[in-house]
Amino acid sequence: KQEVTQIPAALSVPEGENLVLNCSFTDSAIYNLQWFRQDPGKGLTSLLLIQSSQREQTSGRLNASLDKSSGRSTLYIAASQPGDSATYLCATGANNLFFGTGTRLTVIP
Amino acid sequence: DTAVSQTPKYLVTQMGNDKSIKCEQNLGHDTMYWYKQDSKKFLKIMFSYNNKELIINETVPNRFSPKSPDKAHLNLHINSLELGDSAVYFCASSQDRGQGGTEAFFGQGTRLTVV
Repeated sequence: KQEVTQIPAALSVPEGENLVLNCSFTDSAIYNLQWFRQDPGKGLTSLLLIQSSQREQTSGRLNASLDKSSGRSTLYIAASQPGDSATYLCATGANNLFFGTGTRLTVIP
Repeated sequence: DTAVSQTPKYLVTQMGNDKSIKCEQNLGHDTMYWYKQDSKKFLKIMFSYNNKELIINETVPNRFSPKSPDKAHLNLHINSLELGDSAVYFCASSQDRGQGGTEAFFGQGTRLTVV
């Protein structure tokens, strides 16, 4: 069964810093990998979707990469802002999504 | 215009009661899901429906019964509520049968508290 791990569990950075969030998964038989953002008490907002045939996707200051063979994905956030503070979740799978436990990001003004 | 909407947003009820959570999506997707987020914020699949047909039923007590009147709606009915059912329940939808194939969209969640 797919297991998804995210490291670190929490991260605190000063505003303006570039940062990387890590996601690893055990089963490489995936259709895609999706990164979400969750604000406290709110739902999940989809940030990026990488198809299994792709290596990376970019949206604004966000860049996500995927290495299926090693079972890893990274989410790169450039020039972090206080508004980026949230929990970031990666999820992957075939028939349904398996989620990691998330990285709680705090960007300090 | 909300893509995936759930009602209610908050639900507080006593042990032993029966309650329902409603979900609707206006994206024209074929597949809908229910996820449970526990107190440790871990999200886990509960059910998946494709065109009103049950596809995935993870190890969930049979007190939980999903109902899909049409492919735009997937409601979750819970009988004989227990304290351990307290969690946030998320509805989601995607275009393809395999959620891992296309982008999944989530509702805002329903925070269920059983007292």
